[in-house]
Amino acid sequence: DAGITQSPRHKVTETGTPVTLRCHQTENHRYMYWYRQDPGHGLRLIHYSYGVKDTDKGEVSDGYSVSRSKTEDFLLTLESATSSQTSVYFCAISELSGQTNYGYTFGSGTRLTVV
Amino acid sequence: QQQVKQSPQSLIVQKGGISIINCAYENTAFDYFPWYQQFPGKGPALLIAIRPDVSEKKEGRFTISFNKSAKQFSLHIMDSQPGDSATYFCAASIDSGGYQKVTFGIGTKLQVIP
Repeated sequence: DAGITQSPRHKVTETGTPVTLRCHQTENHRYMYWYRQDPGHGLRLIHYSYGVKDTDKGEVSDGYSVSRSKTEDFLLTLESATSSQTSVYFCAISELSGQTNYGYTFGSGTRLTVV
Repeated sequence: QQQVKQSPQSLIVQKGGISIINCAYENTAFDYFPWYQQFPGKGPALLIAIRPDVSEKKEGRFTISFNKSAKQFSLHIMDSQPGDSATYFCAASIDSGGYQKVTFGIGTKLQVIP
């Protein structure tokens, strides 16, 4: 997707290992988000950021941490991966211009399998 | 707690037919209602959106109908095509000082058969 890239695209890891997923944007958007997508649950917010070093928890934040040291990069870390964290992870960015809401732009996702 | 209820979860429509996906919400503070389209292996992409002061919005073959009193909104895809086969998510958001607090429905997998 233009302006936002996620890496890696696929990863298989073992239970108990740390994992970091990266989201990089070139749009200079202030707001960045990490979601996970699971069948029957739709998209659920893990963490979000509203600026450099400014982050907050979403509805399913347990077991995850994030960092944003630059406007363009938002990292999601699974401190000790568990099988329940097998999922597809999406990064999204957003910006508001006056009263106009432009919605989210999503990355292409990272498929993570914890074995 | 599912704040945005979406139905059906799957839908099969004949080519040329009308696809209808329904969503209902509870929180009257929501001020923006987007629909996202997702193809396999891709991230969701914004398809069309509406604000609660408008009852209908049309973009090409895609129309959102919005009923504020019933707290319901729906996506209609006219003249459905096989290329429309995708998963569709409705969503509702609140502008929290620039940050969009978005709640998504669980998604509808649409298959358009020739």
